[in-house]
Amino acid sequence: GQQVQQSPTSLVLQEGENAELQCNFSTSLNSMQWFYQRPGGSLISVFYNPSGTKQSGRLTSTTVIKERRSSLHISSSQITDSGTYLCAMERGSNNRIFFGDGTQLVVKP
Amino acid sequence: GPKVLQIPSHQIIDMGQMVTLNCDPVSNHLYFYWYKQILGQQMEFLVNFYNGKVMEKSKLFKDQFSVERPDGSYFTLKIQPTALEDSAVYFCASSYRAETLYFGSGTRLTVL
Repeated sequence: GQQVQQSPTSLVLQEGENAELQCNFSTSLNSMQWFYQRPGGSLISVFYNPSGTKQSGRLTSTTVIKERRSSLHISSSQITDSGTYLCAMERGSNNRIFFGDGTQLVVKP
Repeated sequence: GPKVLQIPSHQIIDMGQMVTLNCDPVSNHLYFYWYKQILGQQMEFLVNFYNGKVMEKSKLFKDQFSVERPDGSYFTLKIQPTALEDSAVYFCASSYRAETLYFGSGTRLTVL
């Protein structure tokens, strides 16, 4: 079954609106990360966030590892924020990293 | 930031041929991963390494796949023979302490 569940699957915003992306994990995990991917592009790490809250500019990530969830908040969205946001968890003694299906974000002018 | 280099960026081959994908991770990184992503679909784990040794292979890691580290620096993923369902983008990634994962730009493999 799916170990990393992301919601929503897709999101369309007007420029300037805020976005809240969710990630839930079905098993215990050691840590988690958020990534950004443009269509056909590589993955860029947004946050490595095993617990607590981290902020970078307009992006804020909050992970509550005991509750097996993490969120990514994008404030004052911009057109260039469009793309797919993936969350991933690392679990087990072999440090295997599992990915969710991603949230496709479209920010319109 | 740290760079993970993958070559080639694109590869088109006929079904049944062999292909070798190459990846040069960040020099001091201990953890290394290969992933497969079919267009528009999920990033799927293939295999990972710690300090050059295989840690885990997924069910996707078929007998036709093999991984090596020829000279102790870069990694290769070889598929022999290739099948149509092997068409995908193959990403490699590395990290220092199983924390922030740095990805290469991927190799887009098309099997005809």
